[in-house]
Amino acid sequence: TQLLEQSPQFLSIQEGENLTVYCNSSSVFSSLQWYRQEPGEGPVLLVTVVTGGEVKKLKRLTFQFGDARKDSSLHITAAQPGDTGLYLCAGKRGEYGNKLVFGAGTILRVKS
Amino acid sequence: DAMVIQNPRYQVTQFGKPVTLSCSQTLNHNVMYWYQQKSSQAPKLLFHYYDKDFNNEADTPDNFQSRRPNTSFCFLDIRSPGLGDAAMYLCATSRDRTGPTEAFFGQGTRLTVV
Repeated sequence: TQLLEQSPQFLSIQEGENLTVYCNSSSVFSSLQWYRQEPGEGPVLLVTVVTGGEVKKLKRLTFQFGDARKDSSLHITAAQPGDTGLYLCAGKRGEYGNKLVFGAGTILRVKS
Repeated sequence: DAMVIQNPRYQVTQFGKPVTLSCSQTLNHNVMYWYQQKSSQAPKLLFHYYDKDFNNEADTPDNFQSRRPNTSFCFLDIRSPGLGDAAMYLCATSRDRTGPTEAFFGQGTRLTVV
């Protein structure tokens, strides 16, 4: 069982469309992170959300942390082909909170 | 400037032949992680170090071992690679063991087993 569930698993949209990716868990996280990974490269951090209900914006990307700190969403406005990639949510678990675990990821393909 | 460097980028090994992947960091971070990632899947944590304290995931096969001789370097040893071990192996570092600290990833090593 995945600790962090992401949906959808795969998304193919046209340039200019909006989309939302979800990350859900039955566990409370002190923080969640979103990473983006391009083929053949390592993941790169986009944002960290810490406070329940927090909303952060990064250009056309909007991230939200659920009030109960069990879920998060990533919304992209007017998607562009350069947004294509694997989007991963991640949270820290373990006795010392130092095990970074990932959701299964959402593969986004934006067609021009 | 690269901060987490993995070598080699591509590694081809024979079935059953031991192979070592390396990772170095210039960030002086305490935590180092090794992940296995198969095609279009999420990275799967194999083990991590907090300083010299080694933490193995319960479902990491015994075939996978790791060494961290100093803060800067960490190695992943696969003692007898099988075809199912072909994957991208990612090394990552994090400054602290707690808190919302960012993980910095290397570019990965793509392992092929023939």
